[in-house]
Amino acid sequence: DTAVSQTPKYLVTQMGNDKSIKCEQNLGHDTMYWYKQDSKKFLKIMFSYNNKELIINETVPNRFSPKSPDKAHLNLHINSLELGDSAVYFCASSQGVATGELFFGEGSRLTVL
Amino acid sequence: DAKTTQPPSMDCAEGRAANLPCNHSTISGNEYVYWYRQIHSQGPQYIIHGLKNNETNEMASLIITEDRKSSTLILPHATLRDTAVYYCIVRGRSGYSTLTFGKGTMLLVSP
Repeated sequence: DTAVSQTPKYLVTQMGNDKSIKCEQNLGHDTMYWYKQDSKKFLKIMFSYNNKELIINETVPNRFSPKSPDKAHLNLHINSLELGDSAVYFCASSQGVATGELFFGEGSRLTVL
Repeated sequence: DAKTTQPPSMDCAEGRAANLPCNHSTISGNEYVYWYRQIHSQGPQYIIHGLKNNETNEMASLIITEDRKSSTLILPHATLRDTAVYYCIVRGRSGYSTLTFGKGTMLLVSP
Protein backbone atom coordinates (compact mmCIF):
# COMPACT_ATOMS: atom_id res chain seq x y z
CA ASP A 1 0.00 0.00 0.00
CA THR A 2 1.74 3.17 -1.23
CA ALA A 3 2.19 5.78 1.50
CA VAL A 4 2.26 8.86 -0.75
CA SER A 5 0.76 8.37 -4.17
CA GLN A 6 0.63 10.80 -7.06
CA THR A 7 -1.34 10.71 -10.26
CA PRO A 8 -0.63 10.86 -13.09
CA LYS A 9 2.93 9.57 -13.17
CA TYR A 10 3.51 11.04 -16.61
CA LEU A 11 1.80 14.00 -18.25
CA VAL A 12 2.50 15.37 -21.72
CA THR A 13 0.60 18.46 -22.80
CA GLN A 14 0.71 21.55 -25.00
CA MET A 15 1.66 25.06 -23.96
CA GLY A 16 -1.29 27.06 -22.73
CA ASN A 17 -3.23 24.09 -21.40
CA ASP A 18 -4.39 23.65 -17.80
CA LYS A 19 -3.52 20.47 -15.93
CA SER A 20 -3.77 18.99 -12.44
CA ILE A 21 -1.66 16.58 -10.45
CA LYS A 22 -3.22 14.77 -7.52
CA CYS A 23 -1.57 13.57 -4.33
CA GLU A 24 -2.86 11.41 -1.53
CA GLN A 25 -1.16 10.16 1.62
CA ASN A 26 -2.42 7.35 3.86
CA LEU A 27 0.03 7.98 6.71
CA GLY A 28 -2.29 10.15 8.78
CA HIS A 29 0.12 13.08 8.45
CA ASP A 30 -0.91 16.69 9.04
CA THR A 31 1.52 18.37 6.66
CA MET A 32 1.89 18.03 2.90
CA TYR A 33 4.24 19.58 0.36
CA TRP A 34 4.86 20.07 -3.32
CA TYR A 35 8.44 20.09 -4.62
CA LYS A 36 9.67 20.72 -8.16
CA GLN A 37 12.75 19.07 -9.65
CA ASP A 38 13.91 20.73 -12.84
CA SER A 39 16.10 19.42 -15.64
CA LYS A 40 19.25 20.29 -13.71
CA LYS A 41 17.99 18.06 -10.90
CA PHE A 42 17.59 20.83 -8.34
CA LEU A 43 14.78 20.01 -5.94
CA LYS A 44 12.90 23.08 -4.68
CA ILE A 45 9.94 23.45 -2.39
CA MET A 46 6.88 25.11 -3.87
CA PHE A 47 4.16 24.85 -1.23
CA SER A 48 3.52 23.47 2.21
CA TYR A 49 0.11 22.87 3.81
CA ASN A 50 -0.58 22.06 7.43
CA ASN A 51 -4.06 20.84 8.36
CA LYS A 52 -5.35 22.11 5.03
CA GLU A 53 -3.89 25.59 5.54
CA LEU A 54 -1.18 27.05 3.32
CA ILE A 55 1.92 27.83 5.39
CA ILE A 56 4.69 28.06 2.79
CA ASN A 57 4.46 29.57 -0.69
CA GLU A 58 7.91 29.91 -2.21
CA THR A 59 7.37 32.68 -4.77
CA VAL A 60 5.68 30.35 -7.17
CA PRO A 61 3.81 32.00 -10.09
CA ASN A 62 0.12 32.31 -9.37
CA ARG A 63 -0.56 30.03 -12.34
CA PHE A 64 0.14 27.30 -9.79
CA SER A 65 -2.71 26.79 -7.37
CA PRO A 66 -2.54 24.11 -4.72
CA LYS A 67 -5.72 22.83 -3.12
CA SER A 68 -6.09 20.70 -0.04
CA PRO A 69 -9.64 19.35 0.28
CA ASP A 70 -8.65 17.41 3.39
CA LYS A 71 -5.51 16.51 5.31
CA ALA A 72 -4.87 13.44 3.19
CA HIS A 73 -4.94 15.20 -0.16
CA LEU A 74 -2.98 18.00 -1.77
CA ASN A 75 -3.59 18.67 -5.43
CA LEU A 76 -1.68 20.96 -7.75
CA HIS A 77 -3.42 22.77 -10.55
CA ILE A 78 -1.39 24.59 -13.18
CA ASN A 79 -2.95 27.12 -15.55
CA SER A 80 -1.59 28.29 -18.89
CA LEU A 81 1.29 25.86 -18.95
CA GLU A 82 4.66 27.13 -20.17
CA LEU A 83 7.71 25.28 -21.48
CA GLY A 84 9.58 26.09 -18.26
CA ASP A 85 7.01 24.19 -16.24
CA SER A 86 8.41 20.94 -17.59
CA ALA A 87 9.80 19.14 -14.56
CA VAL A 88 9.19 16.33 -12.13
CA TYR A 89 6.79 17.34 -9.37
CA PHE A 90 7.04 15.53 -6.05
CA CYS A 91 4.43 15.44 -3.35
CA ALA A 92 5.50 14.72 0.22
CA SER A 93 4.01 14.52 3.68
CA SER A 94 5.21 14.70 7.28
CA GLN A 95 3.73 14.24 10.75
CA GLY A 96 3.87 17.94 11.44
CA VAL A 97 5.63 21.16 10.61
CA ALA A 98 8.47 20.72 13.10
CA THR A 99 9.90 17.55 11.61
CA GLY A 100 12.14 17.33 8.58
CA GLU A 101 11.34 13.67 8.06
CA LEU A 102 9.33 13.78 4.87
CA PHE A 103 7.83 10.92 2.92
CA PHE A 104 7.94 11.56 -0.80
CA GLY A 105 5.84 10.21 -3.62
CA GLU A 106 7.31 8.77 -6.78
CA GLY A 107 6.91 11.97 -8.72
CA SER A 108 4.87 13.17 -11.68
CA ARG A 109 6.85 14.00 -14.80
CA LEU A 110 5.27 16.89 -16.66
CA THR A 111 6.37 17.64 -20.21
CA VAL A 112 5.09 20.78 -21.89
CA LEU A 113 5.46 20.88 -25.67
CA ASP B 1 18.80 27.55 7.23
CA ALA B 2 22.56 26.91 7.01
CA LYS B 3 24.14 25.89 3.75
CA THR B 4 25.95 22.61 3.23
CA THR B 5 28.89 21.56 1.07
CA GLN B 6 29.29 18.04 -0.27
CA PRO B 7 31.65 16.46 -2.81
CA PRO B 8 29.89 16.09 -6.17
CA SER B 9 30.68 12.40 -6.52
CA MET B 10 32.17 9.42 -4.73
CA ASP B 11 32.86 5.80 -5.56
CA CYS B 12 32.59 2.80 -3.30
CA ALA B 13 33.16 -0.91 -3.77
CA GLU B 14 30.25 -3.18 -3.01
CA GLY B 15 30.45 -4.54 0.52
CA ARG B 16 32.71 -1.77 1.76
CA ALA B 17 31.68 1.11 3.97
CA ALA B 18 30.67 4.31 2.22
CA ASN B 19 31.57 7.46 4.15
CA LEU B 20 29.89 10.57 2.79
CA PRO B 21 31.12 13.88 4.20
CA CYS B 22 29.21 17.11 4.63
CA ASN B 23 30.39 20.51 5.72
CA HIS B 24 27.91 22.82 7.47
CA SER B 25 30.18 25.33 9.16
CA THR B 26 27.45 27.97 9.58
CA ILE B 27 25.00 25.68 11.39
CA SER B 28 23.27 27.25 14.36
CA GLY B 29 22.50 25.65 17.70
CA ASN B 30 18.89 24.67 17.00
CA GLU B 31 19.43 23.29 13.50
CA TYR B 32 19.37 19.60 12.73
CA VAL B 33 21.38 17.72 10.11
CA TYR B 34 19.23 15.59 7.81
CA TRP B 35 20.32 13.10 5.19
CA TYR B 36 18.21 12.02 2.25
CA ARG B 37 18.96 10.05 -0.87
CA GLN B 38 17.39 9.91 -4.29
CA ILE B 39 17.72 6.79 -6.35
CA HIS B 40 17.37 7.40 -10.06
CA SER B 41 13.79 8.17 -11.13
CA GLN B 42 12.45 7.83 -7.60
CA GLY B 43 11.35 10.27 -4.93
CA PRO B 44 13.80 11.35 -2.23
CA GLN B 45 14.04 8.99 0.73
CA TYR B 46 14.72 10.02 4.31
CA ILE B 47 17.76 8.27 5.81
CA ILE B 48 18.61 9.75 9.20
CA HIS B 49 18.93 12.98 11.15
CA GLY B 50 20.68 14.29 14.24
CA LEU B 51 21.34 17.35 16.37
CA LYS B 52 24.64 16.78 18.14
CA ASN B 53 24.89 13.14 19.13
CA ASN B 54 25.80 10.36 16.75
CA GLU B 55 22.81 8.46 15.46
CA THR B 56 22.32 5.00 13.99
CA ASN B 57 19.37 3.28 12.40
CA GLU B 58 18.83 0.30 10.15
CA MET B 59 19.99 2.22 7.09
CA ALA B 60 23.01 4.19 8.22
CA SER B 61 25.02 5.93 10.91
CA LEU B 62 25.43 9.67 11.29
CA ILE B 63 28.56 11.04 12.90
CA ILE B 64 28.47 14.74 13.82
CA THR B 65 31.66 16.47 14.92
CA GLU B 66 31.76 18.01 18.36
CA ASP B 67 31.72 21.55 16.96
CA ARG B 68 28.82 20.47 14.68
CA LYS B 69 30.46 22.06 11.67
CA SER B 70 30.61 18.84 9.72
CA SER B 71 29.11 15.38 9.62
CA THR B 72 29.60 12.02 7.92
CA LEU B 73 26.95 9.60 6.76
CA ILE B 74 28.15 6.02 6.93
CA LEU B 75 26.62 3.17 4.96
CA PRO B 76 28.37 0.24 6.65
CA HIS B 77 28.12 -2.32 3.84
CA ALA B 78 27.27 -0.59 0.59
CA THR B 79 25.28 -2.52 -2.01
CA LEU B 80 24.60 -1.75 -5.65
CA ARG B 81 21.15 -0.55 -4.62
CA ASP B 82 22.77 2.22 -2.57
CA THR B 83 23.85 3.96 -5.79
CA ALA B 84 22.04 7.30 -5.51
CA VAL B 85 22.43 11.02 -4.94
CA TYR B 86 22.85 11.71 -1.21
CA TYR B 87 21.75 15.04 0.19
CA CYS B 88 22.92 16.58 3.44
CA ILE B 89 20.47 19.24 4.65
CA VAL B 90 20.45 21.53 7.65
CA ARG B 91 17.03 22.47 8.95
CA GLY B 92 15.61 24.32 11.92
CA ARG B 93 12.53 23.19 13.85
CA SER B 94 10.29 26.06 12.91
CA GLY B 95 7.18 25.33 10.92
CA TYR B 96 8.52 27.77 8.37
CA SER B 97 11.74 25.83 7.98
CA THR B 98 11.98 23.85 4.80
CA LEU B 99 14.21 21.15 3.43
CA THR B 100 16.55 22.93 1.03
CA PHE B 101 18.16 20.39 -1.25
CA GLY B 102 21.57 21.21 -2.70
CA LYS B 103 23.41 19.33 -5.41
CA GLY B 104 24.26 16.40 -3.17
CA THR B 105 26.85 13.66 -3.67
CA MET B 106 26.40 11.09 -6.42
CA LEU B 107 27.52 7.81 -4.84
CA LEU B 108 28.35 5.06 -7.30
CA VAL B 109 28.67 1.59 -5.78
CA SER B 110 30.49 -0.80 -8.06
CA PRO B 111 30.82 -4.59 -7.98
